[in-house]
Amino acid sequence: AIQMTQSPSSLSASVGDRVTITCRASQGIASSLAWYQQKPGQAPKVLISDASTMESGVPSRFSGSGYGTDFTLTISSLQPEDFATYYCQQFDDNVLTFGGGTKVAIK
Amino acid sequence: QVQLVESGGGVVQRGGSLRLSCAASGFAFSTYAMQWVRQGPGKGLQWVAFISFEGSNKFYEQSVEGRFTISRDNSRNRLYLQMNSLRPDDTAVYYCADHLIRGPGTAVTVSS
Repeated sequence: AIQMTQSPSSLSASVGDRVTITCRASQGIASSLAWYQQKPGQAPKVLISDASTMESGVPSRFSGSGYGTDFTLTISSLQPEDFATYYCQQFDDNVLTFGGGTKVAIK
Repeated sequence: QVQLVESGGGVVQRGGSLRLSCAASGFAFSTYAMQWVRQGPGKGLQWVAFISFEGSNKFYEQSVEGRFTISRDNSRNRLYLQMNSLRPDDTAVYYCADHLIRGPGTAVTVSS
């Protein structure tokens, strides 16, 4: 199975900060990558699919980039409602695999 | 718009069985492979099972192989997960996915 390595596993940031989360695949997955946001007690919510395509209704401060093995999720100006855990996921293979998550906490 | 709604979860004793269901709408279900994914309490997301669009190919995560069975009914746009010989470490929220998780999930608790 394709391994997804996400970093950092946690970070502390302030409102207004620019935040970057990275995800690396163990083999090339073209653009077959999604980013999720998950808040406590809720299901994961898709933010970005196909590495850089924003889902409908997702604020423009979120963006995704990358191709092949290296991917990035950027929050340009962190807002209070963005404190959550973020996951990457590849769907290039029949076996879906996920990064370990990045918990974004308030500094 | 793609909609996936899981149901069938509940509380069951060790060794028991449950059948999960996923109702799909908003896309051509019969032409898509489908999957089950789970998330244990305080844990990350884990792939569980895969089924091809016509149902002939199935793959399972090693810890559920031989206990869980994935199936589908393309005439009803439904995906299923039959879970037998349940163990406490199967306790999780279970999600269905085409290639993305889009539903609320259904919670399974296995008591010891």
